[in-house]
Amino acid sequence: GPKVLQIPSHQIIDMGQMVTLNCDPVSNHLYFYWYKQILGQQMEFLVNFYNGKVMEKSKLFKDQFSVERPDGSYFTLKIQPTALEDSAVYFCASSLEGQYEQYFGPGTRLTVL
Amino acid sequence: QQKVQQSPESLIVPEGGMASLNCTFSDRNSQYFWWYRQHSGEGPKALMSIFSNGDKKEGRFTAHLNKASLHVSLHIKDSQPSDSALYFCAVSINSNNRIFFGDGTQLVVKP
Repeated sequence: GPKVLQIPSHQIIDMGQMVTLNCDPVSNHLYFYWYKQILGQQMEFLVNFYNGKVMEKSKLFKDQFSVERPDGSYFTLKIQPTALEDSAVYFCASSLEGQYEQYFGPGTRLTVL
Repeated sequence: QQKVQQSPESLIVPEGGMASLNCTFSDRNSQYFWWYRQHSGEGPKALMSIFSNGDKKEGRFTAHLNKASLHVSLHIKDSQPSDSALYFCAVSINSNNRIFFGDGTQLVVKP
């Protein structure tokens, strides 16, 4: 089936540093999402993105977070600066316009020390 | 804000048995419902969707939706060890909008 790729699979950084998580969505999908999962528990929505714009964001999407997809390349989540509570697995997802199913990547495990 | 709650938190069933997972949601405007399955170390994958009241059967899996009682369930017949995973109930109000996930039910099917 359609695959979403995420790079890297694991990132370890020091608190206060910047990190960029990369997502390669399904090729013809138009909607992109980031979710956060802590300790294999609840998945929580961060943001969705369409046509170059943030459509909706949750309260977890702090001012230190930003997303972009320059020129149809990777869809990225940037955190600057990072905090200890940002340690989690971040999942990217994508969907077709009008389709309801979101396809998820394998996740990036972020560890902030 | 939408609240999605699942029960039980964990479930152990013997191979060949029936597993029943439950989910309640709070927003009556909810229209789209999925069950996602997540194996350890992987991203969640949609197992099945249900958008209308009643039952929907796909092989060994049957989803049931009752919007009036704000309830959706998943029943797995003839459970297999490969069904062992974390199951999420997922709810959305509009297409392409955010999905609200429940806390998950950890299913273990014992051979």
